[in-house]
Amino acid sequence: SAVISQKPSRDICQRGTSLTIQCQVDSQVTMMFWYRQQPGQSLTLIATANQGSEATYESGFVIDKFPISRPNLTFSTLTVSNMSPEDSSIYLCSAGGGGSDYGYTFGSGTRLTVV
Amino acid sequence: RKEVEQDPGPFNVPEGATVAFNCTYSNSASQSFFWYRQDCRKEPKLLMSVYSSGNEDGRFTAQLNRASQYISLLIRDSKLSDSATYLCVVDNNNDMRFGAGTRLTVKP
Repeated sequence: SAVISQKPSRDICQRGTSLTIQCQVDSQVTMMFWYRQQPGQSLTLIATANQGSEATYESGFVIDKFPISRPNLTFSTLTVSNMSPEDSSIYLCSAGGGGSDYGYTFGSGTRLTVV
Repeated sequence: RKEVEQDPGPFNVPEGATVAFNCTYSNSASQSFFWYRQDCRKEPKLLMSVYSSGNEDGRFTAQLNRASQYISLLIRDSKLSDSATYLCVVDNNNDMRFGAGTRLTVKP
């Protein structure tokens, strides 16, 4: 299965600023996803990062707030824009598409605190 | 109704116990099923895929009942290191939906 390098691992940011999170995969993958996880909660899908086209966002998430790039089959970024304390969470990227035996691999997560 | 439902627990069991987790899903068109394990402050990691015929990996057994839209995970001879949150995951054509997770604590 793919190995994902995600950075930064954590950050503390001022409200109103933006943070870009990067995920690098060690192999070409069909699908990449971005999730948010509040402490003690399950994962919520933000969007699917499509290579060469705009990301597909889930209900409640918009491109202006969470712009995503996917320039190639091994890399994606998520930007959390104009941050507020409510954006404090763990953000995770995921990649896969290798078939039902493999599931999806996750990056190690970015713990974001907005003050 | 949530797309994937799990008993959140917590399940507190002694070492050596057998424990079972259940999960139900609402989308009958779902194609692939997984159990993930998530340790505190870590990312989820694939524990095992779940097949219609049922599958076993050491102390772990997963079963799928498509008619009832139900998935289970059985852990035998629990170890302290099994303490974690177990996430039920349902995939419909690369649209993965996660359960809220079941928290397990194995005690000495």
